[in-house]
Amino acid sequence: GQQVMQIPQYQHVQEGEDFTTYCNSSTTLSNIQWYKQRPGGHPVFLIQLVKSGEVKKQKRLTFQFGEAKKNSSLHITATQTTDVGTYFCAGEMWGAQKLVFGQGTRLTINP
Amino acid sequence: GAGVSQSPRYKVAKRGQDVALRCDPISGHVSLFWYQQALGQGPEFLTYFQNEAQLDKSGLPSDRFFAERPEGSVSTLKIQRTQQEDSAVYLCASSTSGGVANTGELFFGEGSRLTVL
Repeated sequence: GQQVMQIPQYQHVQEGEDFTTYCNSSTTLSNIQWYKQRPGGHPVFLIQLVKSGEVKKQKRLTFQFGEAKKNSSLHITATQTTDVGTYFCAGEMWGAQKLVFGQGTRLTINP
Repeated sequence: GAGVSQSPRYKVAKRGQDVALRCDPISGHVSLFWYQQALGQGPEFLTYFQNEAQLDKSGLPSDRFFAERPEGSVSTLKIQRTQQEDSAVYLCASSTSGGVANTGELFFGEGSRLTVL
Protein backbone atom coordinates (compact mmCIF):
# COMPACT_ATOMS: atom_id res chain seq x y z
CA GLY A 1 0.00 0.00 0.00
CA GLN A 2 0.92 3.64 -0.11
CA GLN A 3 3.71 4.64 2.25
CA VAL A 4 4.87 8.07 3.28
CA MET A 5 8.30 8.30 4.87
CA GLN A 6 9.56 11.31 6.75
CA ILE A 7 13.07 12.19 7.88
CA PRO A 8 14.54 12.98 10.27
CA GLN A 9 12.48 11.49 13.08
CA TYR A 10 13.87 14.01 15.58
CA GLN A 11 15.65 17.33 15.23
CA HIS A 12 17.02 19.49 18.01
CA VAL A 13 18.22 22.98 17.13
CA GLN A 14 19.33 26.15 18.81
CA GLU A 15 16.83 28.97 18.60
CA GLY A 16 17.56 30.96 15.47
CA GLU A 17 18.87 28.00 13.48
CA ASP A 18 17.08 26.69 10.41
CA PHE A 19 15.15 23.42 10.27
CA THR A 20 14.12 21.16 7.40
CA THR A 21 12.02 18.01 7.27
CA TYR A 22 11.67 15.81 4.21
CA CYS A 23 8.81 13.63 3.04
CA ASN A 24 8.86 10.87 0.42
CA SER A 25 5.97 8.87 -0.97
CA SER A 26 6.19 5.44 -2.57
CA THR A 27 3.54 6.53 -5.10
CA THR A 28 2.68 9.66 -7.06
CA LEU A 29 0.40 11.93 -5.09
CA SER A 30 -2.54 14.08 -6.11
CA ASN A 31 -1.67 16.50 -3.33
CA ILE A 32 0.28 16.72 -0.10
CA GLN A 33 -0.60 18.48 3.13
CA TRP A 34 1.45 19.51 6.15
CA TYR A 35 0.24 19.52 9.75
CA LYS A 36 1.74 20.61 13.05
CA GLN A 37 1.01 18.89 16.33
CA ARG A 38 2.04 20.58 19.56
CA PRO A 39 2.88 18.34 22.53
CA GLY A 40 -0.39 17.02 23.95
CA GLY A 41 -2.38 18.57 21.12
CA HIS A 42 -4.00 17.50 17.89
CA PRO A 43 -2.76 17.96 14.30
CA VAL A 44 -3.41 21.41 12.89
CA PHE A 45 -3.42 22.08 9.16
CA LEU A 46 -0.60 24.23 7.80
CA ILE A 47 -0.84 24.03 4.02
CA GLN A 48 -1.79 22.00 0.96
CA LEU A 49 0.35 21.65 -2.18
CA VAL A 50 -1.24 20.43 -5.39
CA LYS A 51 0.91 21.37 -8.37
CA SER A 52 4.14 19.75 -9.50
CA GLY A 53 7.12 21.85 -8.38
CA GLU A 54 4.92 24.11 -6.27
CA VAL A 55 6.55 26.33 -3.64
CA LYS A 56 4.54 28.15 -0.99
CA LYS A 57 5.67 30.40 1.83
CA GLN A 58 4.08 31.29 5.13
CA LYS A 59 6.26 33.85 6.90
CA ARG A 60 9.33 31.82 7.99
CA LEU A 61 7.98 28.52 6.60
CA THR A 62 8.67 27.36 3.03
CA PHE A 63 6.93 24.33 1.58
CA GLN A 64 7.94 22.55 -1.62
CA PHE A 65 6.31 19.82 -3.70
CA GLY A 66 8.62 17.84 -5.97
CA GLU A 67 8.39 17.79 -9.75
CA ALA A 68 7.38 14.13 -9.71
CA LYS A 69 4.81 14.79 -6.96
CA LYS A 70 6.38 12.09 -4.78
CA ASN A 71 8.35 14.21 -2.35
CA SER A 72 7.99 17.37 -0.35
CA SER A 73 9.86 19.44 2.19
CA LEU A 74 9.18 21.97 4.90
CA HIS A 75 11.89 24.49 5.77
CA ILE A 76 11.71 26.83 8.74
CA THR A 77 14.07 29.81 8.76
CA ALA A 78 15.37 31.16 12.05
CA THR A 79 13.41 28.90 14.39
CA GLN A 80 11.59 30.30 17.40
CA THR A 81 10.44 28.49 20.54
CA THR A 82 6.88 28.66 19.24
CA ASP A 83 7.92 26.31 16.40
CA VAL A 84 8.29 23.41 18.84
CA GLY A 85 6.13 20.41 17.93
CA THR A 86 5.87 17.51 15.53
CA TYR A 87 5.49 18.23 11.83
CA PHE A 88 3.64 15.70 9.70
CA CYS A 89 3.31 15.44 5.98
CA ALA A 90 0.23 13.67 4.66
CA GLY A 91 -0.13 12.49 1.10
CA GLU A 92 -3.22 11.69 -0.90
CA MET A 93 -3.29 9.37 -3.89
CA TRP A 94 -5.62 9.77 -6.82
CA GLY A 95 -8.90 8.07 -6.05
CA ALA A 96 -7.93 7.21 -2.49
CA GLN A 97 -9.97 9.88 -0.68
CA LYS A 98 -7.78 9.63 2.41
CA LEU A 99 -4.58 11.15 3.72
CA VAL A 100 -1.66 8.88 4.56
CA PHE A 101 0.49 10.49 7.23
CA GLY A 102 4.23 10.24 7.63
CA GLN A 103 5.80 9.34 10.98
CA GLY A 104 6.48 12.98 11.70
CA THR A 105 9.56 15.00 12.62
CA ARG A 106 9.67 16.11 16.21
CA LEU A 107 11.34 19.52 16.56
CA THR A 108 12.75 20.67 19.86
CA ILE A 109 14.48 24.02 20.36
CA ASN A 110 17.08 25.16 22.80
CA PRO A 111 16.31 28.79 23.69
CA GLY B 1 -20.05 24.01 17.22
CA ALA B 2 -16.82 25.87 16.69
CA GLY B 3 -14.73 22.78 16.12
CA VAL B 4 -14.69 18.99 16.08
CA SER B 5 -15.73 17.64 19.44
CA GLN B 6 -14.75 14.20 20.73
CA SER B 7 -15.81 12.34 23.84
CA PRO B 8 -14.70 10.95 26.13
CA ARG B 9 -11.29 12.63 26.17
CA TYR B 10 -9.90 9.80 28.27
CA LYS B 11 -11.10 6.24 28.62
CA VAL B 12 -9.61 3.44 30.68
CA ALA B 13 -10.96 0.00 29.88
CA LYS B 14 -10.21 -3.44 31.16
CA ARG B 15 -9.14 -5.94 28.55
CA GLY B 16 -12.23 -7.50 27.02
CA GLN B 17 -14.55 -4.55 27.60
CA ASP B 18 -16.38 -2.78 24.80
CA VAL B 19 -15.86 0.97 24.28
CA ALA B 20 -17.63 3.61 22.23
CA LEU B 21 -15.98 6.84 21.14
CA ARG B 22 -18.02 9.75 19.86
CA CYS B 23 -17.21 12.41 17.31
CA ASP B 24 -19.26 15.51 16.62
CA PRO B 25 -17.86 17.10 13.44
CA ILE B 26 -18.10 20.70 12.33
CA SER B 27 -21.64 21.40 11.20
CA GLY B 28 -22.07 20.94 7.47
CA HIS B 29 -18.85 19.02 6.95
CA VAL B 30 -19.48 16.24 4.45
CA SER B 31 -16.43 14.09 5.12
CA LEU B 32 -15.49 12.45 8.40
CA PHE B 33 -12.37 10.43 9.13
CA TRP B 34 -11.17 8.31 12.02
CA TYR B 35 -7.45 7.93 12.68
CA GLN B 36 -5.53 5.98 15.30
CA GLN B 37 -2.36 7.55 16.71
CA ALA B 38 0.01 5.47 18.80
CA LEU B 39 2.52 7.24 21.03
CA GLY B 40 5.28 8.85 18.98
CA GLN B 41 3.73 7.83 15.67
CA GLY B 42 1.80 9.52 12.90
CA PRO B 43 -1.98 9.17 12.62
CA GLU B 44 -3.01 5.91 10.93
CA PHE B 45 -6.14 5.94 8.79
CA LEU B 46 -9.01 3.80 10.04
CA THR B 47 -12.15 4.72 8.10
CA TYR B 48 -13.87 7.43 6.05
CA PHE B 49 -17.47 8.59 5.73
CA GLN B 50 -19.04 10.82 3.14
CA ASN B 51 -22.27 11.93 4.75
CA GLU B 52 -23.77 8.69 6.13
CA ALA B 53 -21.99 6.38 3.69
CA GLN B 54 -18.89 4.57 4.89
CA LEU B 55 -16.81 4.66 1.72
CA ASP B 56 -13.56 3.25 3.04
CA LYS B 57 -12.99 1.04 6.05
CA SER B 58 -9.74 -0.48 4.86
CA GLY B 59 -7.80 0.77 7.87
CA LEU B 60 -9.88 -0.89 10.57
CA PRO B 61 -7.45 -3.33 12.26
CA SER B 62 -9.94 -6.13 12.86
CA ASP B 63 -13.61 -6.98 12.93
CA ARG B 64 -13.63 -5.81 16.54
CA PHE B 65 -13.65 -2.25 15.21
CA PHE B 66 -16.88 -0.78 13.90
CA ALA B 67 -17.81 2.77 12.93
CA GLU B 68 -21.08 4.39 12.01
CA ARG B 69 -22.48 7.79 11.07
CA PRO B 70 -26.20 7.05 10.70
CA GLU B 71 -27.48 10.56 10.04
CA GLY B 72 -24.44 11.98 8.34
CA SER B 73 -23.32 14.08 11.30
CA VAL B 74 -22.24 12.50 14.60
CA SER B 75 -20.09 9.39 14.31
CA THR B 76 -19.29 6.62 16.76
CA LEU B 77 -16.26 4.33 16.72
CA LYS B 78 -16.90 1.15 18.64
CA ILE B 79 -14.23 -1.29 19.74
CA GLN B 80 -15.39 -4.66 21.00
CA ARG B 81 -13.44 -6.91 23.36
CA THR B 82 -10.62 -4.38 23.73
CA GLN B 83 -7.02 -5.59 23.72
CA GLN B 84 -3.91 -3.89 25.08
CA GLU B 85 -2.71 -3.15 21.56
CA ASP B 86 -5.81 -0.99 21.07
CA SER B 87 -4.35 1.57 23.49
CA ALA B 88 -3.88 4.76 21.47
CA VAL B 89 -5.36 8.17 20.78
CA TYR B 90 -8.31 7.99 18.42
CA LEU B 91 -8.59 11.12 16.33
CA CYS B 92 -11.65 12.23 14.44
CA ALA B 93 -11.37 14.75 11.62
CA SER B 94 -13.87 16.38 9.33
CA SER B 95 -13.62 18.34 6.10
CA THR B 96 -15.92 20.22 3.79
CA SER B 97 -14.69 18.42 0.72
CA GLY B 98 -16.43 15.46 -0.81
CA GLY B 99 -14.41 15.64 -3.99
CA VAL B 100 -12.36 12.89 -5.55
CA ALA B 101 -8.63 12.85 -4.81
CA ASN B 102 -8.79 16.02 -2.79
CA THR B 103 -9.76 15.50 0.79
CA GLY B 104 -9.12 19.14 1.60
CA GLU B 105 -8.04 20.53 4.93
CA LEU B 106 -8.78 18.19 7.83
CA PHE B 107 -10.05 19.70 11.06
CA PHE B 108 -9.09 17.39 13.91
CA GLY B 109 -10.73 16.97 17.28
CA GLU B 110 -8.72 16.77 20.49
CA GLY B 111 -8.85 12.99 20.37
CA SER B 112 -9.96 10.24 22.72
CA ARG B 113 -7.10 8.61 24.60
CA LEU B 114 -7.88 4.94 25.21
CA THR B 115 -5.88 2.94 27.71
CA VAL B 116 -6.58 -0.78 27.92
CA LEU B 117 -5.35 -2.48 31.08
